[in-house]
Amino acid sequence: GAGVSQSPSNKVTEKGKDVELRCDPISGHTALYWYRQRLGQGLEFLIYFQGNSAPDKSGLPSDRFSAERTGESVSTLTIQRTQQEDSAVYLCASSLALTGSEAFFGQGTRLTVV
Amino acid sequence: KQEVTQIPAALSVPEGENLVLNCSFTDSAIYNLQWFRQDPGKGLTSLLLIQSSQREQTSGRLNASLDKSSGRSTLYIAASQPGDSATYLCAVNRYYGQNFVFGPGTRLSVLP
Repeated sequence: GAGVSQSPSNKVTEKGKDVELRCDPISGHTALYWYRQRLGQGLEFLIYFQGNSAPDKSGLPSDRFSAERTGESVSTLTIQRTQQEDSAVYLCASSLALTGSEAFFGQGTRLTVV
Repeated sequence: KQEVTQIPAALSVPEGENLVLNCSFTDSAIYNLQWFRQDPGKGLTSLLLIQSSQREQTSGRLNASLDKSSGRSTLYIAASQPGDSATYLCAVNRYYGQNFVFGPGTRLSVLP
């Protein structure tokens, strides 16, 4: 596609429910990243993929968070049993390669847990 | 551990002024440094990418420099316009962990 696409753009969910956030990277980009941005805060790194592999999952805040990528394309970030502290904008980015390449971001998914 | 800081945290200038935003990082083991802008409620827009072997990059009214040995980058904006108002973020793509580490950003307001 022309750019990184994220869906949904907004999601309101009840505390305790599971949510899935989707990221469609730019076609041909092998590296994909997930970040979280709480209101008024900086970007917090969550996880990156090289192809379909995520070598380092230590950035995920808790075991309620998981992510996968298939076909070296679409990625899904899943949050189980959501908490109010999970409310944030979740941003996805992709780049042609893991090193040395320009990163392009999607518009984000704004998650509100009520 | 790589840490990235940006100075100033906020800046307000009248239209037409030239300005400089600063970014510092603690570990020089980086592949590149990238500058982004973020408008309220939006994602990040890439402005400039500087590879570790480069000293500067230019795009229109923007010029970014990189001094890897001292851990510093500057973003120079010439003839600022109200449309330049946004938060500017720098990020380094580091060797270890291979992800982008972001600074906290500089919030710029250009007054008409």
